[in-house]
Amino acid sequence: EAQVTQNPRYLITVTGKKLTVTCSQNMNHEYMSWYRQDPGLGLRQIYYSMNVEVTDKGDVPEGYKVSRKEKRNFPLILESPSPNQTSLYFCASRNREIPYEQYFGPGTRLTVT
Amino acid sequence: AQSVTQLGSHVSVSEGALVLLRCNYSSSVPPYLFWYVQYPNQGLQLLLKYTSAATLVKGINGFEAEFKKSETSFHLTKPSAHMSDAAEYFCAVRKSGGGSQGNLIFGKGTKLSVKP
Repeated sequence: EAQVTQNPRYLITVTGKKLTVTCSQNMNHEYMSWYRQDPGLGLRQIYYSMNVEVTDKGDVPEGYKVSRKEKRNFPLILESPSPNQTSLYFCASRNREIPYEQYFGPGTRLTVT
Repeated sequence: AQSVTQLGSHVSVSEGALVLLRCNYSSSVPPYLFWYVQYPNQGLQLLLKYTSAATLVKGINGFEAEFKKSETSFHLTKPSAHMSDAAEYFCAVRKSGGGSQGNLIFGKGTKLSVKP
């Protein structure tokens, strides 16, 4: 089954404790992206990657890092989480040549206290 | 720069009534437009898309949207609401030009409630 998986689905952590949210897709997609969703703000893009070793900032990259060492994986790293990063995070992927067929993961709800 | 505006953060309809969710876009080039749906505790899934072919686009679950260039609108409609339509709906436009081409810009979302 074609899918995007994220782990963990729920995470409660404390300020400053480094964490990683993993994202994996099994569709051989070149493009992957991370979004955060906040009430009243919709989805905002954090980082995206056009292919392995190619990453770029989205609209709200501050406080986040990403890496793309393998095509299927695109982890989101919070080196020093802060309460304003409490949010619902979505990973997405698509075929680079079909820009509208974006597949979303189930989401990771992060709470930073 | 491109943008989308969704009018109404919350829309409530009765079961069987018409659903109308409004989306206006801003784009200096012919846009690619999308509607995504998010059911509770799930990720987003593509409902329908406009990619410069037919202006009336049909999607899944009986939804459709009409691209109106003169009004810069892409409103989502469904003739008869069902309880299972209760979800949050996002309008999006595809970025064009530059290195971020292909990225999506999302509206703030409209939460649809369906009353029995």
